[in-house]
Amino acid sequence: AQSVTQLGSHVSVSEGALVLLRCNYSSSVPPYLFWYVQYPNQGLQLLLKYTSAATLVKGINGFEAEFKKSETSFHLTKPSAHMSDAAEYFCAVSDRGGATNKLIFGTGTLLAVQP
Amino acid sequence: NAGVTQTPKFRVLKTGQSMTLLCAQDMNHEYMYWYRQDPGMGLRLIHYSVGEGTTAKGEVPDGYNVSRLKKQNFLLGLESAAPSQTSVYFCASREAVSTDTQYFGPGTRLTVL
Repeated sequence: AQSVTQLGSHVSVSEGALVLLRCNYSSSVPPYLFWYVQYPNQGLQLLLKYTSAATLVKGINGFEAEFKKSETSFHLTKPSAHMSDAAEYFCAVSDRGGATNKLIFGTGTLLAVQP
Repeated sequence: NAGVTQTPKFRVLKTGQSMTLLCAQDMNHEYMYWYRQDPGMGLRLIHYSVGEGTTAKGEVPDGYNVSRLKKQNFLLGLESAAPSQTSVYFCASREAVSTDTQYFGPGTRLTVL
């Protein structure tokens, strides 16, 4: 069975500082991995995804994530935080081509950006 | 192109009441999903559909029923609401042949008193 663990339910950074949100996965098959962002009172929006092409994936709003098989990790980073980045971030893994292509979500990390 | 829409946006029910949440997508997607989101638990899959006329149980299906009579619509029903079903409900859809990106609706906030 697949699973995702997000370390740190709350992360606080200063504006302009590096953002690092951690995600580790467990999968018996090569995974597809996703980061979604949820702004207050909104639905989830795809930030980026890894589907076995390049291991460094660039997404929207300056975010990127690196797939590291040896560490079973897919951490999300952004070099310089903006106030507008304050949101909840979810990492997810797909059962990749299974009959349902279900997504398994982590419990989320709430990012606060301090001025 | 509206994407995925959900009706209603908010609802308050009393214990034992019933209601139906509607999800509609205009992207001609085959797959549709219902999730619930609770604090500290991420999103959990309730039911899903791999095509018109088909439905299947997800991770937390108890107390819910679904129907997919039309490809573009996926209905989630609560026959007898319980306070434990207080949550935010999200619908998502996905193409049949794709790299698994799911597109989400804006959510329905349901409170059961």
